[in-house]
Amino acid sequence: AQSVTQLGSHVSVSEGALVLLRCNYSSSVPPYLFWYVQYPNQGLQLLLKYTTGATLVKGINGFEAEFKKSETSFHLTKPSAHMSDAAEYFCAVSVIIQGAQKLVFGQGTRLTINP
Amino acid sequence: DVKVTQSSRYLVKRTGEKVFLECVQDMDHENMFWYRQDPGLGLRLIYFSYDVKMKEKGDIPEGYSVSREKKERFSLILESASTNQTSMYLCASSFVKGGRETQYFGPGTRLLVL
Repeated sequence: AQSVTQLGSHVSVSEGALVLLRCNYSSSVPPYLFWYVQYPNQGLQLLLKYTTGATLVKGINGFEAEFKKSETSFHLTKPSAHMSDAAEYFCAVSVIIQGAQKLVFGQGTRLTINP
Repeated sequence: DVKVTQSSRYLVKRTGEKVFLECVQDMDHENMFWYRQDPGLGLRLIYFSYDVKMKEKGDIPEGYSVSREKKERFSLILESASTNQTSMYLCASSFVKGGRETQYFGPGTRLLVL
């Protein structure tokens, strides 16, 4: 069965510092992997996704993630944090049921940016 | 832009009440989903639907039912609300595209059951 583990429920970095949010997955088939962001009082917004091909995926707002099959990881990074990056981030892996994609989410990581 | 709307941002209900949460999408998507979001647990799938009048149980369907009479609308029903159903409820939709489609989320409904 597919599952996702996000290491660290809270991460705090200084403005301008590197952001690293960790995600490990388990999947019995080649995975499709996603990162979503949730700003306060809003729904989830797609940051980036990996399906096949290039293992380094670039997303919106300067974020990127690298799929590492050998480590079963899909960590999210951003070189320089902005105050506006403060949000909750969710990693997800997909499974296909009845032709519909079902997402299995990690428990989320809340990112705080210190001025 | 894809738009997924939910009928209420905030709801307060009493234990035992029947509660309807409505979700509408405007992109002609086949698939629609209902999740609940709780701190430390991430999002958990309650039900999903891959076509009109079709529904499938997700991971935590107990205490909930759904209805999809029209393609654009997916309703979540709490037959008899209980305090442990206090949560944030998120609706999502997606277009079938070989299994690689993105799910688009609504803004969420925060439900408090007293």
